[in-house]
Amino acid sequence: AQSVTQLGSHVSVSEGALVLLRCNYSSSVPPYLFWYVQYPNQGLQLLLKYTSAATLVKGINGFEAEFKKSETSFHLTKPSAHMSDAAEYFCAVRRSGDDMRFGAGTRLTVKP
Amino acid sequence: DSGVTQTPKHLITATGQRVTLRCSPRSGDLSVYWYQQSLDQGLQFLIQYYNGEERAKGNILERFSAQQFPDLHSELNLSSLELGDSALYFCASSVTLADNEQFFGPGTRLTVL
Repeated sequence: AQSVTQLGSHVSVSEGALVLLRCNYSSSVPPYLFWYVQYPNQGLQLLLKYTSAATLVKGINGFEAEFKKSETSFHLTKPSAHMSDAAEYFCAVRRSGDDMRFGAGTRLTVKP
Repeated sequence: DSGVTQTPKHLITATGQRVTLRCSPRSGDLSVYWYQQSLDQGLQFLIQYYNGEERAKGNILERFSAQQFPDLHSELNLSSLELGDSALYFCASSVTLADNEQFFGPGTRLTVL
């Protein structure tokens, strides 16, 4: 069965700094990979998804993620953090027809 | 706004009670998913329905049950509630069974006292 590991339950960056949130997956077949963001007291919102079309995926709010099969990774990055990026981020994996498996989440704090 | 609605927004009840959470998927979406989010367990998949039929089961307790009605709205029933059932319950929907993008509702926060 596929699973997801997010390295670092908390990440803190300064405003304007690079954001890097790590996600590694395990799957016996090429999976579909997702990053979701959850703002306080809200549901999850899709940031971006990988569905085998292109390894570098661009999402909303300036985020992007790169699928690296050799490293089984799908790390999320943003060149310059903004205060409004403070939220919880979830990496998720799904094989077609299987249920979605979420990582434990990474809470991003952005310092002024 | 994802287009998925959930009611109620908050629910406070006592141990041993039974509650029903309701979800209306986005217009046109046939598949509904239920998730539980708690501090100790994280975000866990509970169950999926597609066009009225159960399609997949995750970590759903026997005390919990769900159904999807002909108008495609879904209800999650939680019975014999325990303190540990306190959590955020999310509903998500997608267009088809194989569709890989799920749209999440705002959640129902359940507090069991």
